[in-house]
Amino acid sequence: QSALTQPASVSGSPGQSITISCTGTSSDVGNYNLVSWYQQHPGKPPQLMIYEGSKRPSGVSNRFAGSKSANTASLTISGLQAEDEADYYCCSYAGSSTWVFGGGTKLTVL
Amino acid sequence: QVQLQESGPGLVKPSETLSLTCTLSGGSFSSYYWNWVRQPPGKGLEWIGYIYYGGSTNSNPSLKSRVTISIDRSRNQFSLQLSSVTAADTAVYYCAREGERSGFDYWGQGTLVTVSS
Repeated sequence: QSALTQPASVSGSPGQSITISCTGTSSDVGNYNLVSWYQQHPGKPPQLMIYEGSKRPSGVSNRFAGSKSANTASLTISGLQAEDEADYYCCSYAGSSTWVFGGGTKLTVL
Repeated sequence: QVQLQESGPGLVKPSETLSLTCTLSGGSFSSYYWNWVRQPPGKGLEWIGYIYYGGSTNSNPSLKSRVTISIDRSRNQFSLQLSSVTAADTAVYYCAREGERSGFDYWGQGTLVTVSS
């Protein structure tokens, strides 16, 4: 069970859109539609932004969207805002009642 | 509103057992999975394991031999024990609720545990 692969960092200007990728294998991301995404500000616990690949919990802005193609899941943030600057983590079900996280991506809003 | 709060020693000696408790308020254990996730300083998240409200457990294969998770419904608490700790186990430990494969929707604030002599 290896960590999912995310870019270490991404950046964008206010109002722009950015996409964070999360690459796994056919044993996790590719085999289940059970990827979730988390936003984490410094010193705070993670917050669920997307679950089951593309669903948003109540209260999460529709500027956040999740998708998947083969073994890669993606999180797209549109209309980038200063408050979106944070670390983002993907997480996938990996079978046998286990979960695996990605290494995390630092989003900088320029 | 569901709230989770971790508690336990902030310093553990190498080779000893790390013990943490998560207290649930504002909700029920029923129909959910109750997880532990950790984050070494400056690093990413690592799933440790869960206990289902019915009592079944599972854990990360890389930690399985050292992890014990238990639940005390009368006290609204679930606990983590991690044995034979080393400096590599130094991390912020979070407890989190998970619905049926629907992501970790409630988290505690986290507690830093340092392994050092």
